[in-house]
Amino acid sequence: SQQGEEDPQALSIQEGENATMNCSYKTSINNLQWYRQNSGRGLVHLILIRSNEREKHSGRLRVTLDTSKKSSSLLITASRAADTASYFCATDANNAGNMLTFGGGTRLMVKP
Amino acid sequence: NAGVTQTPKFQVLKTGQSMTLQCAQDMNHNSMYWYRQDPGMGLRLIYYSASEGTTDKGEVPNGYNVSRLNKREFSLRLESAAPSQTSVYFCASSEDVSQPQHFGDGTRLSIL
Repeated sequence: SQQGEEDPQALSIQEGENATMNCSYKTSINNLQWYRQNSGRGLVHLILIRSNEREKHSGRLRVTLDTSKKSSSLLITASRAADTASYFCATDANNAGNMLTFGGGTRLMVKP
Repeated sequence: NAGVTQTPKFQVLKTGQSMTLQCAQDMNHNSMYWYRQDPGMGLRLIYYSASEGTTDKGEVPNGYNVSRLNKREFSLRLESAAPSQTSVYFCASSEDVSQPQHFGDGTRLSIL
């Protein structure tokens, strides 16, 4: 079963625009992580946000976490063609033995 | 610094054949994982090894076995391959469970 569900499933934007992806989950968590996957490659860790944090930044990435709504968002500002990839949220749930459960991902296409 | 290395990158098997997927990491990580990724889906955990000498089942362990050969290596074995096991298999490692994971580039396995 998927703990995290991303929305939208696919997103197409122009270079320079911002991209926002959302993740909803079902049970309480220790932390939530976002990963990027380029076509044909493995996942790359982007950012980890703990359950007691509300917002984190890393370069052009901004992640928010709302534990009351059991949701998180990933914002990529000033997108570039190189940001084209699939983005996955993964939750470290309290009842899952610290194992990560991945959502189905958002496929982002940034058009030059 | 190679990170996580998976071999082979591609493999075609016939139903009933056996095969071992190899994974090695050079980051001195304690925890290692095997996932499968099916089209349009996120990753599902097959087995993991929280530390050298231990292995545990994940979400979808049926039809698979694993061996944590030493701290660096974690192999996945299909004893009698079935078409339902056609997938992309990813190995990952992390310093400890719940920490960010580092992924290999996957093994693309087709079972006819």
